[in-house]
Amino acid sequence: GAVVSQHPSWVICKSGTSVKIECRSLDFQATTMFWYRQFPKQSLMLMATSNEGSKATYEQGVEKDKFLINHASLTLSTLTVTSAHPEDSSFYICSAVELGTGSSYNEQFFGPGTRLTVL
Amino acid sequence: GENVEQHPSTLSVQEGDSAVIKCTYSDSASNYFPWYKQELGKRPQLIIDIRSNVGEKKDQRIAVTLNKTAKHFSLHITETQPEDSAVYFCAASNVFGFGNEKLTFGTGTRLTIIP
Repeated sequence: GAVVSQHPSWVICKSGTSVKIECRSLDFQATTMFWYRQFPKQSLMLMATSNEGSKATYEQGVEKDKFLINHASLTLSTLTVTSAHPEDSSFYICSAVELGTGSSYNEQFFGPGTRLTVL
Repeated sequence: GENVEQHPSTLSVQEGDSAVIKCTYSDSASNYFPWYKQELGKRPQLIIDIRSNVGEKKDQRIAVTLNKTAKHFSLHITETQPEDSAVYFCAASNVFGFGNEKLTFGTGTRLTIIP
């Protein structure tokens, strides 16, 4: 159980175009999903916290108009990179927290990541 | 906000020996400390975690220790095997139980096990 998928697994796009990345919790409902960005040989940097039915909370320095997040249901959150530029090329990883497990801490289950390359 | 430092950045260990990775955190309110293993191009995998009401936790060859006073915690891997080669990340969080608490990750340690 507790499987998180991402689509696509990799994408190559031209500079100036927009790219949508989907994060799905396959066998559980997730009230909260997180979006991370990871550059080569670096750590995971939190971009935003996505809550179902409400606006995402962005970390300092992350442009909310460039990285659009929509958490439309308890199993789906999307990240859209608008007007992508080569510096946006990175590994984007989502994680999901299962609703109501009853534990004092709800583990984050990570998706497999999406490698974005902007030409 | 929370700041997590991790050392060393790279670590090479002979197969069968032990490996130790150390992290320090800045926010005394942090109460949850997970460790993740990430293989190249793959998702992070939770390997062990510890809560602030516990000083040590062990799971087979892996153990984590926590010193709340000094605000540091460590990952110990004994009897290392080639499949332990990966990048390891520590993280810290202040958990209330709502499920939306964010993790702050350390900078990572690239562990290489030498056969």
